[in-house]
Formats: sequence, C-alpha cells, structure tokens
Amino acid sequence: AQKVTQAQTEISVVEKEDVTLDCVYETRDTTYYLFWYKQPPSGELVFLIRRNSFDEQNEISGRYSWNFQKSTSSFNFTITASQVVDSAVYFCALRSNTNAGKSTFGDGTTLTVKP
Amino acid sequence: DADVTQTPRNRITKTGKRIMLECSQTKGHDRMYWYRQDPGLGLRLIYYSFDVKDINKGEISDGYSVSRQAQAKFSLSLESAIPNQTALYFCATSDQGHSYPELFFGEGSRLTVL
Repeated sequence: AQKVTQAQTEISVVEKEDVTLDCVYETRDTTYYLFWYKQPPSGELVFLIRRNSFDEQNEISGRYSWNFQKSTSSFNFTITASQVVDSAVYFCALRSNTNAGKSTFGDGTTLTVKP
Repeated sequence: DADVTQTPRNRITKTGKRIMLECSQTKGHDRMYWYRQDPGLGLRLIYYSFDVKDINKGEISDGYSVSRQAQAKFSLSLESAIPNQTALYFCATSDQGHSYPELFFGEGSRLTVL
C-alpha cells in the first residue's frame, strides 16, 4: 500500500514570508514518482512539479523550490517571498508501478497568504 | 479550449435521480480517471481506465459506474444519487509512458444532491 501524509492542514503567513509545505510518503516500490499540485480558489488543479525516485536533485523554479530526500521519505515544497496569489490548497501525490500506475494524494495543505 | 473538458460544471439534483458527468480529452492519452474531492479529504479515486476496453474500480467505487465510450471520452454515472455524493468531481488523464506521468485535470464538476 502507498500513502501520502501532509501533516499541515492549514498554514497562514504574511506576504513576503517564506513557507515550507511538508510531504511524507510511504511506498515499498523502488521506482515511483512524486508530484505537487496547486488548487487555487477558482478550483482547478494545476500540476507544479514531478520527481522520480532516482533523481534526488533538488529543484528551484523562481520562488518555488523542492527538497526530495529518500532517506526521510519526504518531498517538501518551499515558497520564498510568498505572495497573495500563492494562496491555494497544495496537494502532494505519489505514483508507483505496483499500484497499477494510480496516484495517491495527500489530504492537502491550505495556504493563506495575507497582505 | 481546455485539453480535458468536463460537463456539466455545476449540477444540483435530488436524491434518487440518475446523473451523468461527462469527460472528454484532446491530449491523446489512453489513461483516464475519475476522482472525488471532499473538504479535508484530498482526492479519492473512483474509477480508472487504461484503455477503451479497460475499466477498474478505485477506492470508492460503490454507488458509481463508468463508461469509456472512446479513447477520448470517459463518463461517470450515479445511478441513484444520495446526499453524501455531494462533492467536487474531477476527470483526469495521464500518459501511459514515463515521460509525463503526471495527471492532467479537467476543471471539475460540482455536484449537489439535495
């Protein structure tokens, strides 16, 4: 069985603060993918990033960065200098081959960035 | 136009009514999925299909059925809607290969069962 845990249900920050969203996953597979999706107040789900289990290199994209650590089964997401437009629900997800290619989602973290 | 289109976007219905949510995609993906989102519960998989003749139950398939009419179309039916099926429903597609394993979502269908 595979599982994704996002322990932070809600986070509130003031604009320009840095914020890290935590994601811990469980899988017995050695080959898997990890994802982050964003759901803004308008409701659509937007893909942000993917990582495969063989690539632990961290990634930075503008104000967004991702820290993948297999040793702790974590794939954390940091927003630097947060903005009001970053307010959304963020989902971490896991897809592994032994789960027939299905994605398992965490319960999501609601981020509120106040002006 | 959106690559994954869901209709209707919003629907209010009464208990016991049959309702169908439709999904069509132009991404050319073989894999299609129906997810349900409830507040605080993330997304839960209802049904998925890896090919036109392939239908598989997800973790919460009771009370739902699906039809894969073509590679591009995947419909979700509630034969007799009940209030606890009130939720936001998402259709999604993915590539069967490993180059782009992420899900591409429709805009969602908000269903209210009174």
